[in-house]
Amino acid sequence: GAGVSQSPSNKVTEKGKDVELRCDPISGHTALYWYRQSLGQGLEFLIYFQGNSAPDKSGLPSDRFSAERTGGSVSTLTIQRTQQEDSAVYLCASSQYGSLNQPQHFGDGTRLSIL
Amino acid sequence: GQQVMQIPQYQHVQEGEDFTTYCNSSTTLSNIQWYKQRPGGHPVFLIQLVKSGEVKKQKRLTFQFGEAKKNSSLHITATQTTDVGTYFCHVGNQFYFGTGTSLTVIP
Repeated sequence: GAGVSQSPSNKVTEKGKDVELRCDPISGHTALYWYRQSLGQGLEFLIYFQGNSAPDKSGLPSDRFSAERTGGSVSTLTIQRTQQEDSAVYLCASSQYGSLNQPQHFGDGTRLSIL
Repeated sequence: GQQVMQIPQYQHVQEGEDFTTYCNSSTTLSNIQWYKQRPGGHPVFLIQLVKSGEVKKQKRLTFQFGEAKKNSSLHITATQTTDVGTYFCHVGNQFYFGTGTSLTVIP
C-alpha cells in the first residue's frame, strides 16, 4: 500500500500474555519509529530504527519491551508479560531517510487493551 | 533529553475565532515540525520550519519559527470545525514531540 500499515488494528489480551505488533512502513523508507499514546495523552517515543539497526532504544519502558526490524522493512514490537499499564495505542511511523529532519508518516496504530 | 513545552494544553474557541499554539524550548532547535491529529486518527505532518524567523502559510494556518530558533507558533485564522484536533510540535532532530494542544471548535 501507499501508507504505513499496522496490524492488528485492535488487540485485547489478558494480563501476563505476550503480544506482537506489526508495522509495515512505506516502501523505501529507511527510518522507522515506534511511539505509544495513552488515551488523551501525547506521543511517547519508544524506539527508532535506521535500516535494521536500532541506534536508540532509550524509550523502551522496560525489558518486557523489545523490537526488531528485518530486511530494512517490516518491524515488530513485542511486549512480554503484559501489564494493564501497557494499554495504549501503539503508533508506528516511517520517514524517507535516516535524518530525523524528515517528515514522519504514521500508521493508524494498534489499540492494545490489557484486561 | 530535549525539553519542549507546548501551550496551551487545551483551547476551546467559537467557530470563526482565531487560535494559536506555542512550542517553547530551552535550547536552540535545528528545525521544528508541526503535526495535526484528528480525534481517533493518527498524526499527520503539516509543515517543517528550518530558518530563523521563518514564516510559512497554508491557507488559514500560519507557522512561525522564532528568531532565536527556540520557539515556534501555529496560528489558525477564523477557525472551522474541520480544525478540531490536537496539534503537536516536533523537534526535528530529536525523538520528542510536544505535549500537544487540543483544539475544540464550538459551532
